[in-house]
Amino acid sequence: ILNVEQSPQSLHVQEGDSTNFTCSFPSSNFYALHWYRWETAKSPEALFVMTLNGDEKKKGRISATLNTKEGYSYLYIKGSQPEDSATYLCASAGGSQGNLIFGKGTKLSVKP
Amino acid sequence: NAGVMQNPRHLVRRRGQEARLRCSPMKGHSHVYWYRQLPEEGLKFMVYLQKENIIDESGMPKERFSAEFPKEGPSILRIQQVVRGDSAAYFCASSATGIHYEQYFGPGTRLTVT
Repeated sequence: ILNVEQSPQSLHVQEGDSTNFTCSFPSSNFYALHWYRWETAKSPEALFVMTLNGDEKKKGRISATLNTKEGYSYLYIKGSQPEDSATYLCASAGGSQGNLIFGKGTKLSVKP
Repeated sequence: NAGVMQNPRHLVRRRGQEARLRCSPMKGHSHVYWYRQLPEEGLKFMVYLQKENIIDESGMPKERFSAEFPKEGPSILRIQQVVRGDSAAYFCASSATGIHYEQYFGPGTRLTVT
């Protein structure tokens, strides 16, 4: 059974703060690691898909890194803005073509 | 370029009735995934389909649940003889190809069983 764990469960920061979250996953049978951003009352929105150890991806103020050997990924947000408030989900695709196993997410709240 | 469409957005069924949830993938996408979000829980994988084929249904309950993605038309998730425990949000996602590419999610169907 694959377990994807995310920490912290929730995070409250001030506008302008930089922050990061962790996603840990079993490193055996690794295929890909996905990050999604899920705003309340909307659909999850894809941020990154990473497949190679050492991958780093960036989209604006958001970036992510991947360590497949030790089974973790970090998501960083630089200079948080209130519109960054959302739940950030990671999901690991291990052991199957289509089976994405999601973590429970990190809920970020950014206060103006 | 329409995104993933799901309908209905809200569905109320009495215990014992059937629920049919529809998902139209993004244009050009032939891979469809269904997920369920139970209250206070995260997204759980149910089934992965390509056109006319079920690729992985390891997350789908063995009884009462079925899914299809016909050659023409939307993907359907069918729940027979619904029970209160089936009340959840059901999300569909699509991708251009397999697991190494982003999945695009629909708005979800919220099923309430009374």
